Amino acid sequence: SQQGEEDPQALSIQEGENATMNCSYKTSINNLQWYRQNSGRGLVHLILIRSNEREKHSGRLRVTLDTSKKSSSLLITASRAADTASYFCATDRAAGNKLTFGGGTRVLVKP
Amino acid sequence: DGGITQSPKYLFRKEGQNVTLSCEQNLNHDAMYWYRQDPGQGLRLIYYSQIVNDFQKGDIAEGYSVSREKKESFPLTVTSAQKNPTAFYLCASQGAGPQHFGDGTRLSIL
Repeated sequence: SQQGEEDPQALSIQEGENATMNCSYKTSINNLQWYRQNSGRGLVHLILIRSNEREKHSGRLRVTLDTSKKSSSLLITASRAADTASYFCATDRAAGNKLTFGGGTRVLVKP
Repeated sequence: DGGITQSPKYLFRKEGQNVTLSCEQNLNHDAMYWYRQDPGQGLRLIYYSQIVNDFQKGDIAEGYSVSREKKESFPLTVTSAQKNPTAFYLCASQGAGPQHFGDGTRLSIL
């Protein structure tokens, strides 16, 4: 079963605009991770936020985590055409470093 | 360069046939994973291995088998018991940091 559910499923923006996507999950977590997937390729790790953190930045990425609402958001600022991809949240499970992935948000950045 | 290599990139299976997908890593990672991705969907865990000669079922193991005889290699066999094998298969490995992914194998039915 997929613990993470992402919203929206698809997002279309102009280059230079910001893109925001959300992830909700059901059970307690140790950390939440965001990955990017270009079409037909593997996933690339973007950022990890631990359960005791509320916000984290990496370059043009900003991630927030609200454990009381069991939700996270990923903000991409000043988007570029190269940001066109699918973005997935993944929550870890207690045992075995197993990840549970959401269904993803497909982002299209138009030049 | 260190990384994960999946082969082949595309694979076709005939009815009743077993096929094996290759996954090799040179990152010296102990843990390796196999995921299945259906169109427009997220990843679902098939099998994982924390250490050589040991592996566990994930969420959708039925119709699949794996082996972990070497640290570098974690092949996945899609058996004839898997009735809907058409999907994109991703292999990942993990050491102390996040999971690293290969570029996948796309399996189709002839």
